Amino acid sequence: SAVISQKPSRDICQRGTSLTIQCQVDSQVTMMFWYRQQPGQSLTLIATANQGSEATYESGFVIDKFPISRPNLTFSTLTVSNMSPEDSSIYLCSVEGREETQYFGPGTRLLVL
Amino acid sequence: SQQGEEDPQALSIQEGENATMNCSYKTSINNLQWYRQNSGRGLVHLILIRSNEREKHSGRLRVTLDTSKKSSSLLITASRAADTASYFCATDKSWWSDKLIFGTGTRLQVFP
Repeated sequence: SAVISQKPSRDICQRGTSLTIQCQVDSQVTMMFWYRQQPGQSLTLIATANQGSEATYESGFVIDKFPISRPNLTFSTLTVSNMSPEDSSIYLCSVEGREETQYFGPGTRLLVL
Repeated sequence: SQQGEEDPQALSIQEGENATMNCSYKTSINNLQWYRQNSGRGLVHLILIRSNEREKHSGRLRVTLDTSKKSSSLLITASRAADTASYFCATDKSWWSDKLIFGTGTRLQVFP
């Protein structure tokens, strides 16, 4: 199994600012995923990040709002730009596991005031 | 939305009782997975059942899949207080797609 860490674990931000969330994996993986989980809700996939190519965004999510970097096979960042209170969520990264499962990071709790 | 539905939304039981959660989905699938999430933390994979399987066991977990009804159930037998968590089903649409579509989740509370 992969061990995934995320930074920061939580943050409180002012509206209009941006926050970059880091995701570090202890092994090389091809595919990394970013999810948003709004309070009391399920997970929604934001984008899939492959090393060396542009991230693939899901419907309703755009690169200008959620730019993603994937500089190597063990690291990715998600930036939440020009934040509003509606962006308050838990943001989770995950990586492909065995047999089409996924391993998840502990999440980043974001509160936007 | 492609998101699946789970019921019940919340379930409270006593230790030792069985807990059953149901998941319905909308499109054909390659496999269906169940994950557990403790207190808004990261998700932990529990069990995967493929579209050509009808039932699968893992320890105290039993999963069934009915592709004709597009539904699955997760049974936790002899529940423990440590089973308190949110449980999500997730579907994988095809063998070439790595995307998971998560259900709405069931919040399980097990009282000692």
